[in-house]
Amino acid sequence: KAGVTQTPRYLIKTRGQQVTLSCSPISGHRSVSWYQQTPGQGLQFLFEYFSETQRNKGNFPGRFSGRQFSNSRSEMNVSTLELGDSALYLCASRGDRGAEEQYFGPGTRLTVT
Amino acid sequence: QKEVEQNSGPLSVPEGAIASLNCTYSDRGSQSFFWYRQYSGKSPELIMSIYSNGDKEDGRFTAQLNKASQYVSLLIRDSQPSDSATYLCAVNIVGDDKIIFGKGTRLHILP
Repeated sequence: KAGVTQTPRYLIKTRGQQVTLSCSPISGHRSVSWYQQTPGQGLQFLFEYFSETQRNKGNFPGRFSGRQFSNSRSEMNVSTLELGDSALYLCASRGDRGAEEQYFGPGTRLTVT
Repeated sequence: QKEVEQNSGPLSVPEGAIASLNCTYSDRGSQSFFWYRQYSGKSPELIMSIYSNGDKEDGRFTAQLNKASQYVSLLIRDSQPSDSATYLCAVNIVGDDKIIFGKGTRLHILP
Protein backbone atom coordinates (compact mmCIF):
# COMPACT_ATOMS: atom_id res chain seq x y z
CA LYS A 1 0.00 0.00 0.00
CA ALA A 2 1.13 3.52 -0.66
CA GLY A 3 1.79 5.59 2.43
CA VAL A 4 0.40 8.90 3.52
CA THR A 5 1.29 11.70 1.13
CA GLN A 6 1.41 15.42 1.80
CA THR A 7 1.78 18.36 -0.50
CA PRO A 8 3.57 20.64 -0.72
CA ARG A 9 6.66 19.50 1.16
CA TYR A 10 8.02 22.99 1.70
CA LEU A 11 6.34 26.36 1.76
CA ILE A 12 7.43 29.92 2.45
CA LYS A 13 4.74 32.49 3.16
CA THR A 14 4.56 36.04 4.44
CA ARG A 15 2.76 37.18 7.57
CA GLY A 16 -0.90 37.84 6.93
CA GLN A 17 -1.18 35.42 4.03
CA GLN A 18 -3.12 32.20 4.12
CA VAL A 19 -2.02 28.69 3.25
CA THR A 20 -3.65 25.37 2.35
CA LEU A 21 -1.96 22.04 2.93
CA SER A 22 -3.11 18.74 1.49
CA CYS A 23 -2.98 15.18 2.78
CA SER A 24 -3.91 11.89 1.13
CA PRO A 25 -4.28 9.01 3.61
CA ILE A 26 -3.37 5.38 3.20
CA SER A 27 -5.93 3.65 1.00
CA GLY A 28 -8.86 2.45 3.10
CA HIS A 29 -8.11 4.75 6.02
CA ARG A 30 -10.97 7.10 6.77
CA SER A 31 -9.42 8.98 9.69
CA VAL A 32 -7.01 11.84 9.08
CA SER A 33 -5.37 13.81 11.88
CA TRP A 34 -3.27 16.93 11.66
CA TYR A 35 -0.44 17.92 13.98
CA GLN A 36 1.85 20.89 14.35
CA GLN A 37 5.39 20.16 15.44
CA THR A 38 7.78 22.81 16.74
CA PRO A 39 11.05 22.32 18.65
CA GLY A 40 9.66 23.83 21.82
CA GLN A 41 6.15 22.36 21.92
CA GLY A 42 6.58 18.96 20.35
CA LEU A 43 3.66 17.39 18.50
CA GLN A 44 0.49 19.37 19.04
CA PHE A 45 -2.83 17.92 17.91
CA LEU A 46 -4.83 20.20 15.62
CA PHE A 47 -7.87 18.17 14.60
CA GLU A 48 -9.07 14.85 13.31
CA TYR A 49 -11.50 14.13 10.50
CA PHE A 50 -13.41 10.95 9.96
CA SER A 51 -15.82 10.40 7.07
CA GLU A 52 -15.84 14.12 6.24
CA THR A 53 -16.72 15.13 9.81
CA GLN A 54 -14.45 16.75 12.37
CA ARG A 55 -14.28 14.23 15.19
CA ASN A 56 -11.78 15.89 17.52
CA LYS A 57 -10.21 19.28 17.87
CA GLY A 58 -7.15 20.54 19.70
CA ASN A 59 -6.56 23.91 21.33
CA PHE A 60 -5.68 26.03 18.34
CA PRO A 61 -7.25 29.35 17.29
CA GLY A 62 -9.96 29.50 14.66
CA ARG A 63 -7.38 30.56 12.07
CA PHE A 64 -6.64 26.87 11.76
CA SER A 65 -9.32 24.95 9.93
CA GLY A 66 -9.66 21.78 7.95
CA ARG A 67 -11.92 19.64 5.90
CA GLN A 68 -12.12 16.17 4.50
CA PHE A 69 -13.44 15.06 1.16
CA SER A 70 -15.45 11.99 0.25
CA ASN A 71 -12.29 10.21 -0.92
CA SER A 72 -10.80 10.79 2.58
CA ARG A 73 -8.26 13.32 1.33
CA SER A 74 -7.96 16.20 3.74
CA GLU A 75 -6.90 19.81 3.58
CA MET A 76 -5.78 22.12 6.32
CA ASN A 77 -6.00 25.89 6.03
CA VAL A 78 -4.28 28.55 8.10
CA SER A 79 -5.45 32.10 7.60
CA THR A 80 -3.71 35.33 8.59
CA LEU A 81 -0.37 33.65 9.10
CA GLU A 82 1.81 34.64 12.04
CA LEU A 83 5.54 34.12 12.53
CA GLY A 84 4.74 31.56 15.23
CA ASP A 85 2.96 29.38 12.71
CA SER A 86 6.32 28.35 11.28
CA ALA A 87 6.45 24.62 11.94
CA LEU A 88 6.36 21.15 10.50
CA TYR A 89 2.76 20.20 9.80
CA LEU A 90 2.14 16.49 9.89
CA CYS A 91 -0.79 14.51 8.70
CA ALA A 92 -1.50 10.99 9.94
CA SER A 93 -4.07 8.41 8.96
CA ARG A 94 -5.51 5.39 10.70
CA GLY A 95 -8.25 2.84 10.24
CA ASP A 96 -11.74 2.92 11.67
CA ARG A 97 -11.22 1.63 15.17
CA GLY A 98 -9.83 4.09 17.68
CA ALA A 99 -7.16 1.72 18.85
CA GLU A 100 -5.44 1.26 15.52
CA GLU A 101 -1.99 2.54 14.79
CA GLN A 102 -1.55 5.94 13.19
CA TYR A 103 0.82 6.45 10.24
CA PHE A 104 2.40 9.77 9.39
CA GLY A 105 3.08 11.46 6.11
CA PRO A 106 6.40 13.21 5.39
CA GLY A 107 5.09 16.57 6.55
CA THR A 108 4.96 20.07 5.16
CA ARG A 109 7.62 22.47 6.40
CA LEU A 110 6.01 25.93 6.60
CA THR A 111 8.14 29.00 7.08
CA VAL A 112 6.43 32.33 7.73
CA THR A 113 8.54 35.45 7.16
CA GLN B 1 -5.50 17.77 31.21
CA LYS B 2 -4.43 14.35 29.99
CA GLU B 3 -0.68 14.13 29.68
CA VAL B 4 2.11 11.90 28.46
CA GLU B 5 5.48 12.50 30.07
CA GLN B 6 8.91 11.56 28.81
CA ASN B 7 12.41 12.52 29.86
CA SER B 8 13.69 14.80 27.12
CA GLY B 9 17.26 13.46 27.30
CA PRO B 10 19.61 13.25 25.61
CA LEU B 11 20.09 9.67 26.68
CA SER B 12 23.55 8.45 25.70
CA VAL B 13 24.08 4.70 25.36
CA PRO B 14 27.19 2.83 24.12
CA GLU B 15 26.84 0.86 20.92
CA GLY B 16 25.78 -2.71 21.64
CA ALA B 17 24.19 -1.88 24.99
CA ILE B 18 20.49 -1.80 25.91
CA ALA B 19 18.72 1.53 25.64
CA SER B 20 15.76 1.99 27.97
CA LEU B 21 13.17 4.67 27.24
CA ASN B 22 10.36 5.46 29.65
CA CYS B 23 6.97 7.10 29.47
CA THR B 24 4.22 7.80 32.00
CA TYR B 25 0.65 8.84 31.29
CA SER B 26 -2.00 10.47 33.39
CA ASP B 27 -5.29 8.96 32.18
CA ARG B 28 -6.17 5.56 33.64
CA GLY B 29 -8.66 5.04 30.81
CA SER B 30 -5.87 4.78 28.25
CA GLN B 31 -6.04 1.55 26.27
CA SER B 32 -3.53 1.74 23.44
CA PHE B 33 0.11 2.72 23.52
CA PHE B 34 2.55 3.43 20.74
CA TRP B 35 6.23 4.14 20.25
CA TYR B 36 7.43 6.20 17.32
CA ARG B 37 10.94 6.95 16.14
CA GLN B 38 11.69 10.30 14.55
CA TYR B 39 14.95 11.16 12.84
CA SER B 40 15.92 14.81 12.64
CA GLY B 41 13.99 16.54 9.87
CA LYS B 42 11.79 13.51 9.21
CA SER B 43 8.30 12.48 10.26
CA PRO B 44 7.54 9.99 13.06
CA GLU B 45 7.68 6.32 12.16
CA LEU B 46 5.68 3.74 14.11
CA ILE B 47 7.90 1.16 15.84
CA MET B 48 5.63 -0.69 18.25
CA SER B 49 2.12 -0.76 19.57
CA ILE B 50 1.07 -2.44 22.81
CA TYR B 51 -2.39 -2.93 24.26
CA SER B 52 -2.03 -5.44 27.12
CA ASN B 53 0.03 -5.48 30.28
CA GLY B 54 3.37 -7.20 29.93
CA ASP B 55 6.05 -7.34 27.27
CA LYS B 56 5.82 -7.33 23.50
CA GLU B 57 8.92 -8.09 21.46
CA ASP B 58 9.68 -7.25 17.84
CA GLY B 59 13.24 -7.86 16.75
CA ARG B 60 15.58 -5.75 18.86
CA PHE B 61 12.66 -3.79 20.33
CA THR B 62 10.62 -4.69 23.40
CA ALA B 63 7.70 -2.63 24.64
CA GLN B 64 6.63 -3.03 28.25
CA LEU B 65 3.29 -1.91 29.65
CA ASN B 66 2.16 -1.61 33.26
CA LYS B 67 -1.32 -0.09 33.40
CA ALA B 68 -1.48 -0.17 37.20
CA SER B 69 1.58 2.08 37.35
CA GLN B 70 0.56 4.00 34.21
CA TYR B 71 3.95 3.32 32.75
CA VAL B 72 5.14 2.17 29.34
CA SER B 73 8.73 1.63 28.24
CA LEU B 74 10.73 0.71 25.18
CA LEU B 75 13.90 -1.35 25.31
CA ILE B 76 16.31 -1.41 22.39
CA ARG B 77 18.79 -4.29 22.53
CA ASP B 78 22.16 -4.27 20.79
CA SER B 79 21.86 -0.52 20.17
CA GLN B 80 23.22 0.70 16.86
CA PRO B 81 24.28 4.22 15.79
CA SER B 82 21.30 4.17 13.42
CA ASP B 83 19.03 4.03 16.49
CA SER B 84 20.06 7.59 17.34
CA ALA B 85 16.80 9.53 17.05
CA THR B 86 13.99 11.02 19.09
CA TYR B 87 11.53 8.45 20.44
CA LEU B 88 7.94 9.54 20.95
CA CYS B 89 5.51 7.82 23.24
CA ALA B 90 1.84 8.11 22.27
CA VAL B 91 -1.32 7.13 24.10
CA ASN B 92 -4.85 6.66 22.72
CA ILE B 93 -7.53 7.65 25.18
CA VAL B 94 -10.65 5.69 24.34
CA GLY B 95 -13.23 8.18 25.57
CA ASP B 96 -11.80 11.00 23.48
CA ASP B 97 -10.49 8.68 20.78
CA LYS B 98 -7.59 11.08 20.56
CA ILE B 99 -3.90 10.17 20.44
CA ILE B 100 -1.70 12.26 22.70
CA PHE B 101 2.07 12.39 22.25
CA GLY B 102 4.85 12.96 24.72
CA LYS B 103 7.54 15.46 23.78
CA GLY B 104 9.99 12.69 23.08
CA THR B 105 13.34 11.44 24.36
CA ARG B 106 16.48 12.08 22.33
CA LEU B 107 18.60 8.95 22.15
CA HIS B 108 22.26 9.08 21.18
CA ILE B 109 24.13 5.83 20.55
CA LEU B 110 27.84 6.25 21.10
CA PRO B 111 30.01 4.36 18.55
